[in-house]
Amino acid sequence: DTAVSQTPKYLVTQMGNDKSIKCEQNLGHDTMYWYKQDSKKFLKIMFSYNNKELIINETVPNRFSPKSPDKAHLNLHINSLELGDSAVYFCASSRQFTTLNEQFFGPGTRLTVL
Amino acid sequence: GEDVEQSLFLSVREGDSSVINCTYTDSSSTYLYWYKQEPGAGLQLLTYIFSNMDMKQDQRLTVLLNKKDKHLSLRIADTQTGDSAIYFCAEKSGATNKLIFGTGTLLAVQP
Repeated sequence: DTAVSQTPKYLVTQMGNDKSIKCEQNLGHDTMYWYKQDSKKFLKIMFSYNNKELIINETVPNRFSPKSPDKAHLNLHINSLELGDSAVYFCASSRQFTTLNEQFFGPGTRLTVL
Repeated sequence: GEDVEQSLFLSVREGDSSVINCTYTDSSSTYLYWYKQEPGAGLQLLTYIFSNMDMKQDQRLTVLLNKKDKHLSLRIADTQTGDSAIYFCAEKSGATNKLIFGTGTLLAVQP
């Protein structure tokens, strides 16, 4: 029933590890996004895919690599985790990128790097 | 550049009206949005306004847009304790189509 789902909800890991966060939407949307929300609640876009093609790639370290195997999934892989990567990561989707662009958000993945 | 600012905190009593303000810099904005984030949850779209409108009302919510001053506000009538959350304004850049989010306003409703 969930429109945009993310797994895991919580992720605690050591510095230097590699981890992945998965996102799936069942809304039939064409566009998916990854956002990072820091400890001050500031929300910043990281990536966006439209029909499996990368359309937004903000200034994000190349340790972060998004992968979209199909229109309904957008996964985020992070290599060599650092303390500063600790944040809540939100996945979102929207029907189209260029029009109203109402975005539906997942529940978030809280990543803690020790 | 694209910058969206909000005041950090607002406290109101239950039953009063709340007004959350937002200023933005991007003159190419096409749509402006208000999102609500409850603790431990993702953002939920509350309402939006097209940039050529100056007001939109939706039940207890009233959005006012002053395009000349690049000022957006959200008024919540008869505020309830369930309205306690962080409210984000966002603007859709006409140049890049990206959503640029504000810094968020924490609304605390006192019983």
